Amino acid sequence: GAVVSQHPSWVICKSGTSVKIECRSLDFQATTMFWYRQFPKQSLMLMATSNEGSKATYEQGVEKDKFLINHASLTLSTLTVTSAHPEDSSFYICSATQGPGGGYTFGSGTRLTVV
Amino acid sequence: QQPVQSPQAVILREGEDAVINCSSSKALYSVHWYRQKHGEAPVFLMILLKGGEQKGHEKISASFNEKKQQSSLYLTASQLSYSGTYFCGTGVNNNDMRFGAGTRLTVKP
Repeated sequence: GAVVSQHPSWVICKSGTSVKIECRSLDFQATTMFWYRQFPKQSLMLMATSNEGSKATYEQGVEKDKFLINHASLTLSTLTVTSAHPEDSSFYICSATQGPGGGYTFGSGTRLTVV
Repeated sequence: QQPVQSPQAVILREGEDAVINCSSSKALYSVHWYRQKHGEAPVFLMILLKGGEQKGHEKISASFNEKKQQSSLYLTASQLSYSGTYFCGTGVNNNDMRFGAGTRLTVKP
């Protein structure tokens, strides 16, 4: 089955620093990947759609200059949280699908804590 | 637009059945169902693409009504391992998946 690898699993960083999260599709090519954020006991909120070779599409209210997305290859998308602040602390999850009609495969998620 | 899920939470005894509903104000392209355990990423359960479709795996099944505006997930003879939060997800052409608020299922011995 499809596997999406995400790392790191957790990261603690100081306020004002930047953090990069990687998402890789291991056994399939993903022209599109998705980034979600989940606060405790809440649903997954779509942040942006990452498109290989082009700019990401951000959801309303998500700052594109703060959450930089790069989808440089068919198997790798990265999310960089720039100038992180405590309110950015959350569980970030990426996902990808093998195509129309297929389910989403999620990475294992990254728990970001900004102190 | 996010789909609406109900109930928000349900507590069962092992062996009991449960139904989780997911609805939308407009016709959906597809409906996905996922289960998430605490601290883990969601795991794909199934996808329904056609109005009137029903499918299942072992004792978990789902339906997608004819008008494609509602889906239900059925858990039969629940097991302890069924505990978790269930999310339905909907999107246009399988992109920009949006999830319901989730239904927290607890199965007790």
